[in-house]
Amino acid sequence: AQTVTQSQPEMSVQEAETVTLSCTYDTSESDYYLFWYKQPPSRQMILVIRQEAYKQQNATENRFSVNFQKAAKSFSLKISDSQLGDAAMYFCAYRSLTQGGSEKLVFGKGTKLTVNP
Amino acid sequence: EAGVAQSPRYKIIEKRQSVAFWCNPISGHATLYWYQQILGQGPKLLIQFQNNGVVDDSQLPKDRFSAERLKGVDSTLKIQPAKLEDSAVYLCASSLGRVTGELFFGEGSRLTVL
Repeated sequence: AQTVTQSQPEMSVQEAETVTLSCTYDTSESDYYLFWYKQPPSRQMILVIRQEAYKQQNATENRFSVNFQKAAKSFSLKISDSQLGDAAMYFCAYRSLTQGGSEKLVFGKGTKLTVNP
Repeated sequence: EAGVAQSPRYKIIEKRQSVAFWCNPISGHATLYWYQQILGQGPKLLIQFQNNGVVDDSQLPKDRFSAERLKGVDSTLKIQPAKLEDSAVYLCASSLGRVTGELFFGEGSRLTVL
């Protein structure tokens, strides 16, 4: 079974600075998606960024980028120019693309990000 | 485009009582998921539907939890009887399938069992 580990329960960053959230995962599959989801307090979970495992190029979405190291099974999220609205729980998640594999998302425990003004 | 709708947003019940949560996925999304998110933890899958068939319910406590997705559209998750440890946010999500990989989530239903 796949597992996702987020080793940082909490992180903080100064507004306008850069922060990196860590994620490692364990799988024997070669085809999968990795995601970072953001969950603001009492609000719905939304997708921040997605990475297909077969793509070597790291995904980027505006101020958000990932460092995907497939061999090391590492998938970190970098947030540049942090804004107060970035404060939230961030979840790393895995989804199988293997034929016959589960389509469910497997989540880590999350990292609570605080942005200080 | 309307998102995933869930109700109620909040529910407080006594232990041993019953509760039901409703979810309406994004139109056209064949796959529907119910996740349980206990405070301070990541979401855990309870059940996954493909149209109106169950794909994965391996982590659903079947002695007290049940779910259905009649007609392959909206879904209901029921808990009867509730226990204190069922206090959590119940998240509904839907997806088109493997095409994009992304799951779209509702706002969740927060259950407090006293």
